[in-house]
Amino acid sequence: QKEVEQNSGPLSVPEGAIASLNCTYSDRGSQSFFWYRQYSGKSPELIMFIYSNGDKEDGRFTAQLNKASQYVSLLIRDSQPSDSATYLCAVERRNDKIIFGKGTRLHILP
Amino acid sequence: DVKVTQSSRYLVKRTGEKVFLECVQDMDHENMFWYRQDPGLGLRLIYFSYDVKMKEKGDIPEGYSVSREKKERFSLILESASTNQTSMYLCASSLTGTDYEQYFGPGTRLTVT
Repeated sequence: QKEVEQNSGPLSVPEGAIASLNCTYSDRGSQSFFWYRQYSGKSPELIMFIYSNGDKEDGRFTAQLNKASQYVSLLIRDSQPSDSATYLCAVERRNDKIIFGKGTRLHILP
Repeated sequence: DVKVTQSSRYLVKRTGEKVFLECVQDMDHENMFWYRQDPGLGLRLIYFSYDVKMKEKGDIPEGYSVSREKKERFSLILESASTNQTSMYLCASSLTGTDYEQYFGPGTRLTVT
């Protein structure tokens, strides 16, 4: 089993709808989880992090974590064309390192 | 505002050349990382440094070495460049602890011919 798995997409979502991005991980000991956004030709930038089971909201973004199911997701409400990007799920490993999933390409349809 | 800079945005080298990629951060971060990013393979960790003169291998260290003589600077060295090292190279830095965000540089697109 791969350490961090994401559907590569592309995920196409109409403007104004909710985009749902999913990620599963294999290490039950992982405690910290991150979502990075990467625009084409640009570097990744952090948009959300979550440590506790449940939901964490920040503006239009909600991260959801279920450690029992080893599942983390990102919801984007009221999707905008500017949300079109690749979203990378990242999971803590030991010794200050994190491992990235391969990313999900999101395309918001105007 | 955190800034991570990389010495070149684009680089073209010949097979067998020694290549140096430089990364500098201005936020006094302890940790620095080198990744390569390839289509379909995602971001893969090459090397990691948690302190000056300290380094740790990542997932794909073969064919690479690193140097960290000063806290703000982390260099990636390709001892003898090969075509399969053609890639986007990204440097990142962070504070100590996995709770902390990694800040990425703009990347260096290296082409080895």
